[in-house]
Amino acid sequence: GQQLNQSPQSMFIQEGEDVSMNCTSSSIFNTWLWYKQDPGEGPVLLIALYKAGELTSNGRLTAQFGITRKDSFLNISASIPSDVGIYFCAGRKSGGSNYKLTFGKGTLLTVNP
Amino acid sequence: DADVTQTPRNRITKTGKRIMLECSQTKGHDRMYWYRQDPGLGLRLIYYSFDVKDINKGEISDGYSVSRQAQAKFSLSLESAIPNQTALYFCATSHGGTDTQYFGPGTRLTVL
Repeated sequence: GQQLNQSPQSMFIQEGEDVSMNCTSSSIFNTWLWYKQDPGEGPVLLIALYKAGELTSNGRLTAQFGITRKDSFLNISASIPSDVGIYFCAGRKSGGSNYKLTFGKGTLLTVNP
Repeated sequence: DADVTQTPRNRITKTGKRIMLECSQTKGHDRMYWYRQDPGLGLRLIYYSFDVKDINKGEISDGYSVSRQAQAKFSLSLESAIPNQTALYFCATSHGGTDTQYFGPGTRLTVL
């Protein structure tokens, strides 16, 4: 099935640094979602975006729905050790298959204290 | 209490055995999903259900079956487990309005 191009695949950063990751697609999506997955656990929804150009924050996390509707970005400011995990983007199209989420392969984030 | 629960959390079984994974939710959502996650392959949809009487195959339904016993319960069965079904399995739920999906904690299944 179709995959989103998520980058980078992994990041190693120092505590306190800011982090940016993104997802791109050749297709247009009407919803973008960002999830975080801790080892051995299910993905947890961080931010949901429903309109092109939308910029939404959740604490130190900020995500944007790209104007072209083909991309989305997630930024984490002032990283802390508990930010460690895998971050997934997911996109949803409208129409008959609007249940279906297309997932990126994830960005593995490591934060060194 | 968790909104989406899965049982068991871990299971080791042998080739050829029948296995059932269960999912329950208290979110009141009408839609439920089953995914598997493999390293490097991300999340892949196995089956989904929009209500009790509506069951649909996803990308990789071969070797799996499901049952929607009630709005809050959706179970996944492996009729005759094989080693390449070793994976993490996740249940998810959503409300038809926004379709934002919420995931359970997962079941780690190992087929020997």
